[in-house]
Amino acid sequence: AQSVTQLDSHVSVSEGTPVLLRCNYSSSYSPSLFWYVQHPNKGLQLLLKYTSAATLVKGINGFEAEFKKSETSFHLTKPSAHMSDAAEYFCVVSESPSANQFYFGTGTSLTVIP
Amino acid sequence: DTAVSQTPKYLVTQMGNDKSIKCEQNLGHDTMYWYKQDSKKFLKIMFSYNNKELIINETVPNRFSPKSPDKAHLNLHINSLELGDSAVYFCASSLSMRNTEAFFGQGTRLTVV
Repeated sequence: AQSVTQLDSHVSVSEGTPVLLRCNYSSSYSPSLFWYVQHPNKGLQLLLKYTSAATLVKGINGFEAEFKKSETSFHLTKPSAHMSDAAEYFCVVSESPSANQFYFGTGTSLTVIP
Repeated sequence: DTAVSQTPKYLVTQMGNDKSIKCEQNLGHDTMYWYKQDSKKFLKIMFSYNNKELIINETVPNRFSPKSPDKAHLNLHINSLELGDSAVYFCASSLSMRNTEAFFGQGTRLTVV
């Protein structure tokens, strides 16, 4: 069975400081993992994805995530937060061989303090 | 060009009414989805279609009926709307059924009064 746990419902950082959004997953098969961002009253935008290639994945806007199978984690990081990063972030897991279905975490709300 | 477009963006309606939300994707994808985002921002799949065929139907009340006239469109019709149907509904598409990322529409905020 698949599930996704986002360990923090809210994260607050100062502008220019590092961002860490934590995600743990469980999966019976080799998962694909994604991070999506949702800005207020907007749709979901893909930040990055892991699909069994390099374990360190680089995404848009300076974000990256590392897949750690031994820890079943896929934490999202950014070296320096920008005001425009304030949004809701979702960790998502999908796995084969079942029909494609995306399981969402409960989201982490990121606040960036000027 | 919007990849996945939904209409309307906002929908306010009274209990008991019937309403539809339309979704179109111009990405040439085979698979389309409807997701519901509740007031706590949790997203859960409702339906998925692959090449116009229903693949996933996740214990959604039968008042919700998806219709896929072709693989570029997946519309959602809701009968006898209830207060609990108020949510944001997202349409999405992916290249195929196997582990490819999904592209989401902007969402339709449905408010039932």
